[in-house]
Amino acid sequence: KQEVTQIPAALSVPEGENLVLNCSFTDSAIYNLQWFRQDPGKGLTSLLLIQSSQREQTSGRLNASLDKSSGRSTLYIAASQPGDSATYLCAVPTGGGNKLTFGTGTQLKVEL
Amino acid sequence: DAGVIQSPRHEVTEMGQEVTLRCKPISGHDYLFWYRQTMMRGLELLIYFNNNVPIDDSGMPEDRFSAKMPNASFSTLKIQPSEPRDSAVYFCASSSSRGRHTDTQYFGPGTRLTVL
Repeated sequence: KQEVTQIPAALSVPEGENLVLNCSFTDSAIYNLQWFRQDPGKGLTSLLLIQSSQREQTSGRLNASLDKSSGRSTLYIAASQPGDSATYLCAVPTGGGNKLTFGTGTQLKVEL
Repeated sequence: DAGVIQSPRHEVTEMGQEVTLRCKPISGHDYLFWYRQTMMRGLELLIYFNNNVPIDDSGMPEDRFSAKMPNASFSTLKIQPSEPRDSAVYFCASSSSRGRHTDTQYFGPGTRLTVL
């Protein structure tokens, strides 16, 4: 059974700092990995999707990497802003590819 | 496109009552997912449909839960009878096919259910 873990569970940083969120998964037979953002009381918003053939994917100040062999992914946020404050979740497809297993999430707070 | 639409946004009901949650997926998407989110268990997939057909309902917790998708633009999740432990945020998401697998999923705003 696929298990997805995110470390740290919570993170508080000053504005402008670069930061890294971690995601690990137990079954490396995945074909992609997604990072989502969830604001309080809202649904999830897809940030980045990395295919298994890719090692990195970038969108603006966000950069996600994937190392299937070690079962790890990282989300790098450059020059953090208070608007980045949210919960970040990673997810991998399981059970044939159309089901997502979500990580436990990292709650990020960027302070002024 | 308006995105995935869910209704109601909030529902408060008493134990034993029937609850029906509604979802309108993004037009053209052929996959629809129902999730439940709680503090204790995080985000869990309940059931998903492909072309209106239920494909995997292994996440549905009990027979009290049922889901239907009568057409490509509408789905319901029903709980009958409801219990306090069903209190959670229920999300609907949709996506389109990408070869053998689905593309990224787009989530609705969720329905916050409170069962007293």
